[in-house]
Amino acid sequence: NAGVTQTPKFRILKIGQSMTLQCTQDMNHNYMYWYRQDPGMGLKLIYYSVGAGITDKGEVPNGYNVSRSTTEDFPLRLELAAPSQTSVYFCASSYGTERRGNTFGSGTRLTVV
Amino acid sequence: DAKTTQPTSMDCAEGRAANLPCNHSTISGNEYVYWYRQIHSQGPQYIIHGLKNNETNEMASLIITEDRKSSTLILPHATLRDTAVYYCIVRVQGNAGNMLTFGGGTRLMVKP
Repeated sequence: NAGVTQTPKFRILKIGQSMTLQCTQDMNHNYMYWYRQDPGMGLKLIYYSVGAGITDKGEVPNGYNVSRSTTEDFPLRLELAAPSQTSVYFCASSYGTERRGNTFGSGTRLTVV
Repeated sequence: DAKTTQPTSMDCAEGRAANLPCNHSTISGNEYVYWYRQIHSQGPQYIIHGLKNNETNEMASLIITEDRKSSTLILPHATLRDTAVYYCIVRVQGNAGNMLTFGGGTRLMVKP
């Protein structure tokens, strides 16, 4: 199992540009999450999904969109990038029931200039 | 979800036990205690979780007080590779699965 795979690892965007952060998992987890982590801070939940076709907002959803067309994939879309979106983005997945917690990807470091 | 309080930083000598405390005095009866860690520039890594009984796995032990208002994560023989930020999180297992709220965590420095 590859676990949770995120691409790209690094990206620099100009203000106003758009991009999609990719996330895929091969563990057949039904729950998937997107977090962001600003320098020196803890993680904040952006969006989550409890299954294909179902998504919901987390703590900081503004400026982002998600979709979940398959169990494996949970892309995060940034529209009209702003400097405030400079952060490290982590995707995670888990089973719905209590097992071994969330499995996280290695992150995407995004800089908006 | 209940809030947690952790020391900002701790040091530990290599080979010794690292005991990381966490206060969660407002924890509800159905909230679990989770521990994660984050090594520099990597994604968080799940360590252990528990409800009210003490738990042990290959990575660590979790001791939860009888009143469940605090807990301690124990790394029995800390190595340099255990240097990381450790997060204590309390969470209800509900429809949103393992949705986690991360605070500031404890920065553990393991020294030779």
